[in-house]
Amino acid sequence: ELKVEQNPLFLSMQEGKNYTIYCNYSTTSDRLYWYRQDPGKSLESLFVLLSNGAVKQEGRLMASLDTKARLSTLHITAAVHDLSATYFCALNYGGSQGNLIFGKGTKLSVKP
Amino acid sequence: GAGVSQSPRYKVTKRGQDVALRCDPISGHVSLYWYRQALGQGPEFLTYFNYEAQQDKSGLPNDRFSAERPEGSISTLTIQRTEQRDSAMYRCASSLGSFGEAFFGQGTRLTVV
Repeated sequence: ELKVEQNPLFLSMQEGKNYTIYCNYSTTSDRLYWYRQDPGKSLESLFVLLSNGAVKQEGRLMASLDTKARLSTLHITAAVHDLSATYFCALNYGGSQGNLIFGKGTKLSVKP
Repeated sequence: GAGVSQSPRYKVTKRGQDVALRCDPISGHVSLYWYRQALGQGPEFLTYFNYEAQQDKSGLPNDRFSAERPEGSISTLTIQRTEQRDSAMYRCASSLGSFGEAFFGQGTRLTVV
């Protein structure tokens, strides 16, 4: 069965702190995505990770992929309030890159 | 258009009624996807099209759900005889092709009362 599991599901952080969101998945895939969703908004693509050992960084967010462990991480460095949102990882499966299986999401709240 | 456009943004319907949700993909995007997102959950794949051909409908929950894309552009997701459990956010996404990144619309919030 295809599964994508994220943890934690809820994360309350103080500004300036670091933390990591974990995404475990049950089957091999050639692409793993990280999305951000603000309340009432659409899903915004953050990163696409294509191969084992891939690491991508944008601002205070860094995503990595370990295909052998079937694990991706999203690391937050020195959190700021603007990062408050729900973060989803999604695994591509099937014949098209839009066939995605999503995790349940991690709701991040960054407090001053 | 500039992004994936969905209409209506909100739809409240009575149980037993049929509803049609519309998706207008990004201009030139060949592939179109429908997802359903329950509150507090990640989006769940329903179906997808390349041009006008429905390639995969394995995620449609039952035969009350159907989708079409007759001219390879705008798509309609139809839910017949709606039930309360159909209440969710319905999201559409499109991509340049099967191997392109998918871009999501803002969704239609469906409430069945």
